[in-house]
Amino acid sequence: TQLLEQSPQFLSIQEGENLTVYCNSSSVFSSLQWYRQEPGEGPVLLVTVVTGGEVKKLKRLTFQFGDARKDSSLHITAAQPGDTGLYLCAGGASGGSNYKLTFGKGTLLTVNP
Amino acid sequence: NAGVMQNPRHLVRRRGQEARLRCSPMKGHSHVYWYRQLPEEGLKFMVYLQKENIIDESGMPKERFSAEFPKEGPSILRIQQVVRGDSAAYFCASSPQQGPNQPQHFGDGTRLSIL
Repeated sequence: TQLLEQSPQFLSIQEGENLTVYCNSSSVFSSLQWYRQEPGEGPVLLVTVVTGGEVKKLKRLTFQFGDARKDSSLHITAAQPGDTGLYLCAGGASGGSNYKLTFGKGTLLTVNP
Repeated sequence: NAGVMQNPRHLVRRRGQEARLRCSPMKGHSHVYWYRQLPEEGLKFMVYLQKENIIDESGMPKERFSAEFPKEGPSILRIQQVVRGDSAAYFCASSPQQGPNQPQHFGDGTRLSIL
């Protein structure tokens, strides 16, 4: 069974600070997707990374996929209250079942004004 | 999350009743995935369907649960004889194709509560 560990589980910071959240596994994934989920809603896709070592930037968010495709990080620069939410990483299984996503439990981020 | 439509958003059933959850994928998407989110746990894969075909149901309990995606109409996740442990949020996702670079877009889920 593939597992994804996210850390930290909770993070509370002040507006303007930088932060990094991590997603780690002992398994290799075919892809890594990051989502943000608001209470009562479904996960909203932020980015998909596929290649080991890949870095993608989305405005103030920077996503990195580890060289071995076992881990990923999300870095937010100058956090804003609107960034508050639950951040989920999800890994696509290797091989023919790459559609099967394994989710971490998430990092609950609170950005205080 | 406009695009993937799930209904109802909330569903209350008594033990022993049946629950039907519906999912209409995004326009142009023919691949549908169902996930379950239990309290304090991450989303867990249940089943993957294409039109009229179940591709992978390895994450779905063998008894009482079934899923379909007919040629016309939404995908349906059906739970018969519900028990308290079925209480969870059920999410549907869709993608235009299948593959590691095909992101899955999620609906807002159905919150199922069993009395």
